[in-house]
Order: sequence, then structure tokens, then C-alpha cells
Amino acid sequence: DAGVIQSPRHEVTEMGQEVTLRCKPISGHNSLFWYRQTMMRGLELLIYFNNNVPIDDSGMPEDRFSAKMPNASFSTLKIQPSEPRDSAVYFCASSPTENQPQHFGDGTRLSIL
Amino acid sequence: AQSVTQLGSHVSVSEGALVLLRCNYSSSVPPYLFWYVQYPNQGLQLLLKYTTGATLVKGINGFEAEFKKSETSFHLTKPSAHMSDAAEYFCAVRNSGGYQKVTFGTGTKLQVIP
Repeated sequence: DAGVIQSPRHEVTEMGQEVTLRCKPISGHNSLFWYRQTMMRGLELLIYFNNNVPIDDSGMPEDRFSAKMPNASFSTLKIQPSEPRDSAVYFCASSPTENQPQHFGDGTRLSIL
Repeated sequence: AQSVTQLGSHVSVSEGALVLLRCNYSSSVPPYLFWYVQYPNQGLQLLLKYTTGATLVKGINGFEAEFKKSETSFHLTKPSAHMSDAAEYFCAVRNSGGYQKVTFGTGTKLQVIP
């Protein structure tokens, strides 16, 4: 079975550029989560969708970050404009329902120069 | 509010020795507890979970954990370490009931020495 698929796996770009990270959750999973992992802050929840609707976006750092889920099989996390402090590994995870264990993708390693 | 504390950011064990990774949690309501493992350049994989019922939980790859309410602990153990167990391990907690945000610990990197 296909797991959570994230693209790209690596992204290097200059500050000020727009960055778009993509995620395809596991088919049939109704809950989708975006996380950011850094050495300093560990794993932080950015936003949670249930049935394509954003439920908890309290972890989104600032207005430069936005996330969408136009359908059950696709989500994007966008950073515009990007800054060096946004450098991190970004994970997407999905779960069958909101209270079941999450399945993680392999992440996107983002470097902002 | 809920929180997780993992004691020891790095743990080294010899191959064949007992693995013990410590996790203490804080939760105002009965918690759900999880252990995840992360291999280099990969996402987190669920090792085991505690929700209700039996307090000793068995997971994949020979790992197990015991929920001890009186000690607010959920330590992860494995009787005999393998080289392939070298990875980073994360303890996580969420409150029971409906949507509740999962809080992850800061992780423990396990090194297995041949």
C-alpha cells in the first residue's frame, strides 16, 4: 500500500522566493497534518485538516505560511516569502480519523539561503 | 495542557543489551500515549500505542512499553538491542476524546555499539 507521499524531497531556494510543498495522504484517510521539525524546536504541528477543512491552524507561524486541501487526496503548504529561518524538514501525516495514529511521509528538507 | 519529557537525548547500548528509553508525561485527563521511531531521512513510524486496557503494550520489532499512571511514565524497552534499532525515538501524548493535538517529545537518539 502506498504511504503518505510528499514532494519534493529536497528544496533549496533563495530567501524571498515562494515555496510550495505537496502532500498526498493515504487513500481513505480523513485527517491530514503538517509538521515542521527542527533541531531547536523539535516536531511542531503547523495545521490539521479534517475532511479537507482546516480545524486547527494555531501552529502556523505567521501570515507567510498558508495551507490548502482542495480535495481528499492533495494538500499544499506554501511559504511566501520564504526566509532562512524557515529552513527545516516539513512532514505531512495522515490518519483514518482524527483520533487514530498518524502515518508520516518521508518529509521535505527545505533550505532557504 | 499536556507535555512529554524524554530523559536523555542520546542513549548508547551494546548490541544484545537491554534498551530502556524513558518518557514521562503530563496530562489533565486520561492520556493516549505513543512511541514513534525515525530512521535517517525518513518520517516517523508508529512503534506502539496505549489507549485503554492492558497497561503493557507490545509493538513492532520486539519493543514494548508499560503505562504507569502512578509514575506518569511510559518507558520503552527491548530485551536485546540489534544494530538495526539505531534510530531516533519519540514519545508522544494526546488527551483522549475527540480531536486532541498530539504533543511529541524532543526525541532520544539510540546508538547501538557492536
